[in-house]
This record gives sequence, C-alpha cells and structure tokens, in this order.
Amino acid sequence: TQLLEQSPQFLSIQEGENLTVYCNSSSVFSSLQWYRQEPGEGPVLLVTVVTGGEVKKLKRLTFQFGDARKDSSLHITAAQPGDTGLYLCAGARETGNQFYFGTGTSLTVIP
Amino acid sequence: DVKVTQSSRYLVKRTGEKVFLECVQDMDHENMFWYRQDPGLGLRLIYFSYDVKMKEKGDIPEGYSVSREKKERFSLILESASTNQTSMYLCASSHKGDRPNYGYTFGSGTRLTVV
Repeated sequence: TQLLEQSPQFLSIQEGENLTVYCNSSSVFSSLQWYRQEPGEGPVLLVTVVTGGEVKKLKRLTFQFGDARKDSSLHITAAQPGDTGLYLCAGARETGNQFYFGTGTSLTVIP
Repeated sequence: DVKVTQSSRYLVKRTGEKVFLECVQDMDHENMFWYRQDPGLGLRLIYFSYDVKMKEKGDIPEGYSVSREKKERFSLILESASTNQTSMYLCASSHKGDRPNYGYTFGSGTRLTVV
C-alpha cells in the first residue's frame, strides 16, 4: 500500500500549456518535498514545504502544501521541454528521518 | 560541488553472484539510505543507517544486507543475486536533526541487471 498517491501517473502536453500534479495521502506529514528525476539520473530536490497552506514558487513552478498537511500540488505554468521528467513527492512523518515517496508522475513536454 | 557518488552506473551480474554496490557522500551527512526503483512501484526503501555501524531494515530488506563502517560510505550487498533484483538502485543521504529543512541528496543510480 502506497502512503502517497500521485496523479496523474503519466502526462503528455504541448509546450506552453499549464499543468498540475497532485500528491495525496490520508496521513499527516510534518514536511513534504518535490523532486524531479531525469532519465538515468537520481532525483533532485526542488522544494520543501513545512507549513499547512504554504505556497512556494520556483520560477514557473508553484508548490502548495494542503491546510491539513495531507496533500500537495505542483503547478507548472507555460511548460517547456526542459520540464520533462519524473516528478516525485515525498513526505516526512512526525517522527523519524525517513521520507516516504509517491509513485511519481512522468511528464513529457512536446516542443 | 557536494554529492553522492555511486561506484557503478551499470552492472550486469549472473544469478547467484554476490554483488556489492558502493555509495560515498562528501557532505558529512549522518543518514544514508538505499532504495530500489521499479516502474509502477516507485522508490522502495531497502535499508537505512543513521550512524556508523548502525543499520535499520526498510520495507524490502529480504535478499539484501548493508555495511556502514565509515560515516561517508554505505554499501549494499546482494548475498546471492536473483533476476527479481534487476532494478535501478539509488543511494541517498541527508542530515539528521532539523528534518524539515533538509532533503535527500541522491546519487546518479546503479542500473543492475541480473541474468
């Protein structure tokens, strides 16, 4: 059973379109992170959110942590081919140093 | 540039072989982790370590063991490789302590094929 569910699993869009990726759980997390992984490489941390309702922006990427700290979303504005990759969310519980990963969303941006 | 280095990008081993995957980090991180990544299953935690000579089982430890003799090095051992251990193996490290402000730093991964 996956602690964090991501949707959609696959997404293929045209350059310039907007998109949103969701990360949902029935559990509460003390913090949540988003990573991007390119083919053949390890995941790279994009952002960490720690407060319920928190919104962080990274250029064209907007990350939001749900008020109840059970879910998060990643919104990309005007997607570019360089955004192509696997997007992973990961949550940390109140205790312990381990992060629990979602199943990932594979994004392809077509030029 | 701080990083996590995995010794091999690609490995091909035969069934029954003992396989060593090495991971070294230069960030003085206390925590180190081994994951495997398979399509449709996401990242699954095999073993982790919060200190030298300390290890904890993750979600799928069967068929694996680990060694952490030095703070910077965390080794994953496949005692007798099997075809169902064909996968992408990812090593990660992180600071202990102020957990919400630290993420994982991942290595580039080792793609292991067992034939």
